[in-house]
Amino acid sequence: EVQLVESGGGLVQPGGSLKLSCAASGFTFSGSAMHWVRQASGKGLEWVGRIRSKANSYATAYAASVKGRFTISRDDSKNTAYLQMNSLKTEDTAVYYCTRQGGITGTSDYWGQGTLVTVSS
Amino acid sequence: AIRMTQSPSSLSASTGDRVTITCRASQGISSYLAWYQQKPGKAPKLLIYAASTLQSGVPSRFSGSGSGTDFTLTISCLQSEDFATYYCQQYYSYPRAFGQGTKVEIK
Repeated sequence: EVQLVESGGGLVQPGGSLKLSCAASGFTFSGSAMHWVRQASGKGLEWVGRIRSKANSYATAYAASVKGRFTISRDDSKNTAYLQMNSLKTEDTAVYYCTRQGGITGTSDYWGQGTLVTVSS
Repeated sequence: AIRMTQSPSSLSASTGDRVTITCRASQGISSYLAWYQQKPGKAPKLLIYAASTLQSGVPSRFSGSGSGTDFTLTISCLQSEDFATYYCQQYYSYPRAFGQGTKVEIK
């Protein structure tokens, strides 16, 4: 069974940093691209970024709203993806989901339960 | 960047109704379009990918159509468990934009 479990969320002050983790199981993590998607309270879904597999040079892509502030990485030995968030702004407050990009579907076919990040003074 | 526009933003319907949600891309995306269902407090669930392919385990009352810029999600006979918010997402290019969502409410 595919499982994605996010952790690391919490309260952080504006300008601060936070690192989220996404622990994966039930599939070949090393061969899968992984995405991060966020959702502010009562708002829609916003795609944050993606990291591809080693075979695809761990290539990353980011939304314009986070580019230069957020970094996605992965540790295939730990089956874990990460989202390093720096220079946080109040508008980054949201639930952050990690998702698996399915090999057949080409899109996010499995999602974690999400972790809440609150940026506030 | 490609923009995705859904309509309507919300709708009221009754159990048994046929419901149609549309999604328009600001430029052609071939069939690289997915539909998700999200219930309050839960993660989104993939319903349809490649514009019209039903994800495993999704009831056949859900269907998708379209290509290029105009897409449709249809629920043929609305069930109580279908009251939720639906999102489209293009995966033709980055950034992978979502539509703003369509909330399906009980009439």
